[in-house]
Amino acid sequence: TQLLEQSPQFLSIQEGENLTVYCNSSSVFSSLQWYRQEPGEGPVLLVTVVTGGEVKKLKRLTFQFGDARKDSSLHITAAQPGDTGLYLCAGVVGARTYKYIFGTGTRLKVLA
Amino acid sequence: DTAVSQTPKYLVTQMGNDKSIKCEQNLGHDTMYWYKQDSKKFLKIMFSYNNKELIINETVPNRFSPKSPDKAHLNLHINSLELGDSAVYFCASSHGPNYGYTFGSGTRLTVV
Repeated sequence: TQLLEQSPQFLSIQEGENLTVYCNSSSVFSSLQWYRQEPGEGPVLLVTVVTGGEVKKLKRLTFQFGDARKDSSLHITAAQPGDTGLYLCAGVVGARTYKYIFGTGTRLKVLA
Repeated sequence: DTAVSQTPKYLVTQMGNDKSIKCEQNLGHDTMYWYKQDSKKFLKIMFSYNNKELIINETVPNRFSPKSPDKAHLNLHINSLELGDSAVYFCASSHGPNYGYTFGSGTRLTVV
């Protein structure tokens, strides 16, 4: 059974601080996505990483896919209250019949 | 225009009842999914349909029956509701394994 562990589970920080969220597995994924979910809404896709070692930037967010495609990290620089939410990683397994295995989630709260 | 829409948003019902949740996507995606998010915010896949064909059926009680009348719609019918069915159910669609999901805003089901 594929499992994606995220750490930390909860994170409460002050505005302006930096943070990193980790997503780890013993399984290899063909690609991996990061989502942010706000209360009462569905998760919203932030980024997809496909190649081992790939780094993508989205404004203050930096995403990295591990070389072996088993893990990923999300780094936020100078966090803002608008970054508050549940962050989920999801690894893709399968090809023609594919599905996404979601991580355990990281709840981030950024205090003004 | 809403890309993936689910109805109803909230559903409160008594144990033993039968209920349905509807989902429609206007993105032209071939693949649609049902996920269940528990109280710890863990997202678990239930079903996946590709062009009206069931391709993924995880370990879900037979009381849950998905139906896809066409590739833009995927409905979920639940018979004999139990307390443990209380959760948020998300419909999602996808263009392909590296494109990520587009989620609906969820249906919060409460069984009393």
